[in-house]
Amino acid sequence: QQKVQQSPESLSVPEGGMASLNCTSSDRNFQYFWWYRQHSGEGPKALMSIFSDGDKKEGRFTAHLNKASLHVSLHIRDSQPSDSALYFCAASEPLSGSFNKLTFGAGTRLAVCP
Amino acid sequence: EAGVTQSPRYAVLQEGQAVSFWCDPISGHDTLYWYQQPRDQGPQLLVYFRDEAVIDNSQLPSDRFSAVRPKGTNSTLKIQSAKQGDTATYLCASGAETLYFGSGTRLTVL
Repeated sequence: QQKVQQSPESLSVPEGGMASLNCTSSDRNFQYFWWYRQHSGEGPKALMSIFSDGDKKEGRFTAHLNKASLHVSLHIRDSQPSDSALYFCAASEPLSGSFNKLTFGAGTRLAVCP
Repeated sequence: EAGVTQSPRYAVLQEGQAVSFWCDPISGHDTLYWYQQPRDQGPQLLVYFRDEAVIDNSQLPSDRFSAVRPKGTNSTLKIQSAKQGDTATYLCASGAETLYFGSGTRLTVL
């Protein structure tokens, strides 16, 4: 069983719409979460991190973390065609030497249609 | 600022052949990671270094895979005898709080 599970597998939204991606961890040791985005032919690129309960907003992107349920979500408002990509949730443990040892989910493929 | 550089970009080989991947991390980053990303899956950690020391190689198939970072800068990942199941993109990353990934080497084993 994957320790970091993402849903949905794929998502299609109209340009200007809201995209919502979900991630749940089955490992209570995971306390730190990141969202990465990967365009075709490129490596993943960090979008944002979230370590505390609640919301964190960066531009059009808002992440929400609920540590009790180990659920983290990413919401993209005013979606643009350039947001079309594979989105990964990644998690790590708050142990010395393990902070950056990321475990990735399988990803959500987002398509933004003009 | 230069990003993480990887080479080659692509590699195609027959089963049983050897292949090496090279990574130049962002200058000043003491931690370096190698990930394997099968097609349509998330990256999976193989090994990571702090300076020249291996911190965790528990997910590296040690009988065929090896990784070194002799001077704490560039790193090489080698597959001694490739199998079809090794077909994947091999990603190198460096960083502290945030990981910065290279574009990867896409390996196809026929």
